[in-house]
Amino acid sequence: QVQLQESDPGLVKPSETLSLICTVSDDSISGYYWSWIRQPPGKGLEWIGHIYYSGSTNYNPSLKSRVTLSVDTSKNQVFLKLTSVTAADTAVYYCARSLQNSLLDKYQIMFYYYMDVWGTGTTVTVSS
Amino acid sequence: SSELTQDPVVSVALGQTVTITCLGDSLRTYYATWYQQRPGQAPVLVIFGRNNRPSGIPGRFSGSTSGNTASLTITGAQAEDEADYYCSSRDSSGNLFGGGTKLTVL
Repeated sequence: QVQLQESDPGLVKPSETLSLICTVSDDSISGYYWSWIRQPPGKGLEWIGHIYYSGSTNYNPSLKSRVTLSVDTSKNQVFLKLTSVTAADTAVYYCARSLQNSLLDKYQIMFYYYMDVWGTGTTVTVSS
Repeated sequence: SSELTQDPVVSVALGQTVTITCLGDSLRTYYATWYQQRPGQAPVLVIFGRNNRPSGIPGRFSGSTSGNTASLTITGAQAEDEADYYCSSRDSSGNLFGGGTKLTVL
């Protein structure tokens, strides 16, 4: 059973860079997308972006200028860097394994994308 | 940009059927995915694709789509189904989440 574990940076100061690691156990990261999602206190989920195991990325347009995702297949790890953080970046950060597929539904090709395994999340607080 | 709209709060009597809806233009091309999140826990995948349940998700959960509306139906709601439910789908920019629906089981 694949497991995901996010690192714990704890407190990050405003204007600094948040760095997180997602370590994947009991399975290879090959063949999958790996997403980062965050949830501010008391609020909903926000997709940050994903990276394919080969290195191609897709980012939330609202965060694109500040986010970089990368992978290390040899260590089975996925990395998130978020620059110039503010209090608005305070949230629980999750990594999740992601897949996408498509099928012919009546006369239309429908796509779907889902995150089937999630880490437990790590709380990041931005404060001086 | 695209959005996914959910009712913030829905309630259901124990054992009854409830439907949670999600509206968005992206749903005409992408099936909605549904996640359940209990307080203090990570989200859990409950429905993906046309109407697929991961292993371990009870059969009382089902999904459907019509036009720009996706629905998650719980047939015979149980006390443990009380949670936040989020719909999600891809769009041209990446991936979207709805604002979430808090389900209360009375």
